[in-house]
Amino acid sequence: EPEVTQTPSHQVTQMGQEVILRCVPISNHLYFYWYRQILGQKVEFLVSFYNNEISEKSEIFDDQFSVERPDGSNFTLKIRSTKLEDSAMYFCASSDQGSSYNSPLHFGNGTRLTVT
Amino acid sequence: RKEVEQDPGPFNVPEGATVAFNCTYSNSASQSFFWYRQDCRKEPKLLMSVYSSGNEDGRFTAQLNRASQYISLLIRDSKLSDSATYLCVVIGGGGFKTIFGAGTRLFVKA
Repeated sequence: EPEVTQTPSHQVTQMGQEVILRCVPISNHLYFYWYRQILGQKVEFLVSFYNNEISEKSEIFDDQFSVERPDGSNFTLKIRSTKLEDSAMYFCASSDQGSSYNSPLHFGNGTRLTVT
Repeated sequence: RKEVEQDPGPFNVPEGATVAFNCTYSNSASQSFFWYRQDCRKEPKLLMSVYSSGNEDGRFTAQLNRASQYISLLIRDSKLSDSATYLCVVIGGGGFKTIFGAGTRLFVKA
C-alpha cells in the first residue's frame, strides 16, 4: 500500500535556527497538508496545499512558516527562527480529492521536532 | 463552544465489552466526517469515514446526525488491540481545514 514518508524522524535544533521538514506524499494525490501535535495535546491543522498554492491555513501558520513543493514529489515545511514552543510532532498528510468528496487523509509517520 | 468536542475519557473496559464514543461539532456547514485512531506517539490512522446513512465495518459502527451535529462510534466485542486514542475529525464546509477533536482514550483490559 502506498504511503506518505517523512524525513527526518527526529530533528533537534537550537532556538532561532531554521528547519526544513520533508515529506513525500502518495504519488497520485493532489492535496497536501501539514499538522502538528504538541506532546499530550490534540492534532492541529497548519496548512493545506493544492495546485501549487496554499488553499487554507490556520492561525498557527504565521510568517514564521512556509510550505513548498520544490519538485514533483516533495512537499516541505520550513520553520524560520524556531522557538521553544515549536517543539512538537509534525505530520504531513495527503489526499486524492478535496474535502468535499469525503476523501480521507493519509498521514506520514511524523517528524519529532525538538527546539532547545 | 469548541469546534469539535469529544468525550474526555479515558474509557476502561474489559475485553468483549461494547463501547460508544460521542463527538459534536459546531460548524453546521461541515461536509466530511471521519474517525481515526492514534496509538501512542504514532500518526493518526483512518478507522472509518462517517456517512449520513450510518456505516458499519466489522465490529465498528459509525453514525452521523447532521441535525444535532453529532457523530458516534460504536465498538463491539472490544479487543486488547483496540486500546488507542480515538479521534473525531471534521472537515469544515467549503474548505480544506480539518479539525481534530482532542480524542478519547480507550483502554481494553483482559
